Amino acid sequence: EVQLLESGGGLVQPGGSRRLSCAASGFIFRNFAMSWVRQAPGKGLEWVSSISVIDSNTYYADSVKGRFTISRDNSKNTLTLQMNSLRSEDTAVYYCAKDQLGMGFDSWGQGTLVTVSS
Amino acid sequence: EIVMTQSPATLSVSPGERATLSCRASRSVSTNLAWYQKKPGQAPRLLIYGASTRATGIPARFSGSGSGTEFTLTISSLQSEDFAVYFCQQYNNWPPYTFGQGTKLEIK
Repeated sequence: EVQLLESGGGLVQPGGSRRLSCAASGFIFRNFAMSWVRQAPGKGLEWVSSISVIDSNTYYADSVKGRFTISRDNSKNTLTLQMNSLRSEDTAVYYCAKDQLGMGFDSWGQGTLVTVSS
Repeated sequence: EIVMTQSPATLSVSPGERATLSCRASRSVSTNLAWYQKKPGQAPRLLIYGASTRATGIPARFSGSGSGTEFTLTISSLQSEDFAVYFCQQYNNWPPYTFGQGTKLEIK
């Protein structure tokens, strides 16, 4: 069974940093692209970032480009999102998702809440 | 960026009835479209990919159709557990992946 478990959320001040992790199990992690998707309170789903299998190419939404960094450790089956220069509009539940290219995001974690507030 | 627009924003339907949700893309996404179900406090759940293929374990009452710019998610006979928010997503032209704003399916 595929399991994705996010951690690292919490309260952070504007301008601060936070590192989110996603522990993956139940599938061959290194064979799949992975993504982060967020949902702000009362809002819809917003794609944040993705990382590919080959060469670990990375992709970002314009809203986070230059501030967030996605990475993966295939030896530890872990996906990471380093978030810097956080803003109030980054407040959201952050989900990691397994990207079944051409088939959507077929597995999701339960999410971790990041609140950016003073 | 491809903009995804869902309608209606809220749909009120009685249990046992049929629900039809719409999703429109600002330009063609071929059949590279997925539908997700989202309940409060839960992870999103993939229902449909490729515009019309049910994901693993998804009941047959869920069906998807469409191609190009117009898509539909139909739930043939609503069960109590189907009342949720539904999102469409295109993955034809990315980055960015883009989602619709969601349709809330509520009990009438």
